[in-house]
Amino acid sequence: QVQLQESGPGLVKPSETLSLTCAVSGYSISSGYYWGWIRQPPGKGLEWIGSIYHSGSTYYNPSLKSRVTISVDTSKNQFSLKLSSVTAADTAVYYCARHRGVSEPYYFDYWGQGTLVTVSS
Amino acid sequence: DIVMTQSPDSLAVSLGERATINCKSSQSVLYSSNNKNYLAWYQQKPGQPPKLLIYWASTRESGVPDRFSGSGSGTDFTLTISSLQAEDVAVYYCQQYYSTLLYTFGQGTKLEIK
Repeated sequence: QVQLQESGPGLVKPSETLSLTCAVSGYSISSGYYWGWIRQPPGKGLEWIGSIYHSGSTYYNPSLKSRVTISVDTSKNQFSLKLSSVTAADTAVYYCARHRGVSEPYYFDYWGQGTLVTVSS
Repeated sequence: DIVMTQSPDSLAVSLGERATINCKSSQSVLYSSNNKNYLAWYQQKPGQPPKLLIYWASTRESGVPDRFSGSGSGTDFTLTISSLQAEDVAVYYCQQYYSTLLYTFGQGTKLEIK
């Protein structure tokens, strides 16, 4: 059974960089699949942030692209999100998830439980 | 960008009755080369991550009760719950994965018991 677990600071100051990690168990990232980040502001809908393949190739939401970096560490079986210059608008629950499709990024079949990140001084 | 618009925003249905949620995409999500609609449905309960229900517009994920069904093609899609159960109270989202440049979700439909 594939399991994903987000970790990182729950509070980030405005203008600083949000950093989260998603640890994957039950499957080796280096074997394939795309892995993504999605966020959900409190009481609102879902927004895709970006996705990465085990090789390191990435897709980013154009509206966030200038501030987002997603990387993968196959040796630790995890992938990470960095979002720079955060503001209160970046306050959200951040989810990591896996795309179904070994070499194609289709829909999301496995999700982490999510972690709330609050941007506040 | 492919904009996904769900209707209604909220819905109240009696237990045992049918619930229908609609999703419209701003452009077709039907990929002509394989005749597949790149459309998924998710269920999200409070405090939980979204759960995959339906993919390819009408294929039920393993373990999802058969009272859940998806239909539609091109730009218009429907999620139907044939006989509403108390545990189906949730927010439902559609998502297109046709455009890998920007995956987009509908705004969500909140389903409650009448």
